[in-house]
Amino acid sequence: GESVGLHLPTLSVQEGDNSIINCAYSNSASDYFIWYKQESGKGPQFIIDIRSNMDKRQGQRVTVLLNKTVKHLSLQIAATQPGDSAVYFCAENPGTGNQFYFGTGTSLTVIP
Amino acid sequence: DVKVTQSSRYLVKRTGEKVFLECVQDMDHENMFWYRQDPGLGLRLIYFSYDVKMKEKGDIPEGYSVSREKKERFSLILESASTNQTSMYLCASSTGALGYGYTFGSGTRLTVV
Repeated sequence: GESVGLHLPTLSVQEGDNSIINCAYSNSASDYFIWYKQESGKGPQFIIDIRSNMDKRQGQRVTVLLNKTVKHLSLQIAATQPGDSAVYFCAENPGTGNQFYFGTGTSLTVIP
Repeated sequence: DVKVTQSSRYLVKRTGEKVFLECVQDMDHENMFWYRQDPGLGLRLIYFSYDVKMKEKGDIPEGYSVSREKKERFSLILESASTNQTSMYLCASSTGALGYGYTFGSGTRLTVV
């Protein structure tokens, strides 16, 4: 199967600081990527996506960066808030259908 | 608000029992998926379906089966529950179009004792 992994399983940041969550993917043919946020006791929720023809995409307080050369994806959260505490997953679509492959997740803790 | 609904948030079952996990989506999505989520292992695909009465094995189908008799409903069945099936189970759905992600349910935390 596909391999999608995260560099750091846990991350703690001070409230108001910026957070960066990283993800490595293995399939160079992957053409679509999504970041999901999963709060405790809830299912994952879509945050932001990016296609392989882009290297950056911005949302509200979040930015996703894609480096296809090294097959690396990152999620940046600006001015991190306590409500951002959650597990964050990256997911890749290798372009062979609508099936995604997920990383193991990074647990983000925001310290007030 | 569109959503994916899993019938139970928490379940406790005994070893050997037959267990049914139900998932219903109201978005008219063609695709539905069952994952299990375990610490350190992430989301692993059990089964998926791209159409009514259609099913495909995912990465870890052993010990599970599924049923999709209607477009909106995708059921996961544990034929004879075992303790190693204690996990969080997540259902997801998506459109058939490329470039769209999943909508997930809230999950069912199953404990097999």
